[in-house]
Amino acid sequence: KAGVTQTPRYLIKTRGQQVTLSCSPISGHRSVSWYQQTPGQGLQFLFEYFSETQRNKGNFPGRFSGRQFSNSRSEMNVSTLELGDSALYLCASSGTGTGEETQYFGPGTRLLVL
Amino acid sequence: GNSVTQMEGPVTLSEEAFLTINCTYTATGYPSLFWYVQYPGEGLQLLLKATKADDKGSNKGFEATYRKETTSFHLEKGSVQVSDSAVYFCALSGWASKIIFGSGTRLSIRP
Repeated sequence: KAGVTQTPRYLIKTRGQQVTLSCSPISGHRSVSWYQQTPGQGLQFLFEYFSETQRNKGNFPGRFSGRQFSNSRSEMNVSTLELGDSALYLCASSGTGTGEETQYFGPGTRLLVL
Repeated sequence: GNSVTQMEGPVTLSEEAFLTINCTYTATGYPSLFWYVQYPGEGLQLLLKATKADDKGSNKGFEATYRKETTSFHLEKGSVQVSDSAVYFCALSGWASKIIFGSGTRLSIRP
């Protein structure tokens, strides 16, 4: 099976712009989660989608949003970018998102905001 | 709330040394516990997991036992290799796919 794929792998944006990141889960997986990784804050949960519905959300401002399509692919959007949004954004997929399930991570999208 | 605390790094060892990375957690209920590894420039890979108390997870020579009485999930390996150099994250599962990660421990192995 192909793994979790994320596009693009690298992005450079300027403050005030918006950005959309894409995640394709492992075939058959219906749960997709997003995480932000920074040197200062570590790995932080952004949100989770299951069957096109957001089930869980972390403590991030409304500038961070996401959606999931009927084929389970997910996108996350960050509007009005700030310098502090520079990070590695990781998505993970699992079958149904229960606690015992293994989540499989993609390689990440590295976003640099100038 | 739920949280994970793991030992600060970096940890530097010589090849074939014994490795322990300490991890303790605070949680309500009975979460699953994980160790993830991140190699330079890559995403996270699951190294091992345990889903209930006294379970031992193991993979690639690494082991960790889910200790409910001490709320710990320490990672151990008997003989490390240069290729084990990476950042290791202890984590626990939350509701609806939310994983709570520790701060990560950078491990460097000298030949």
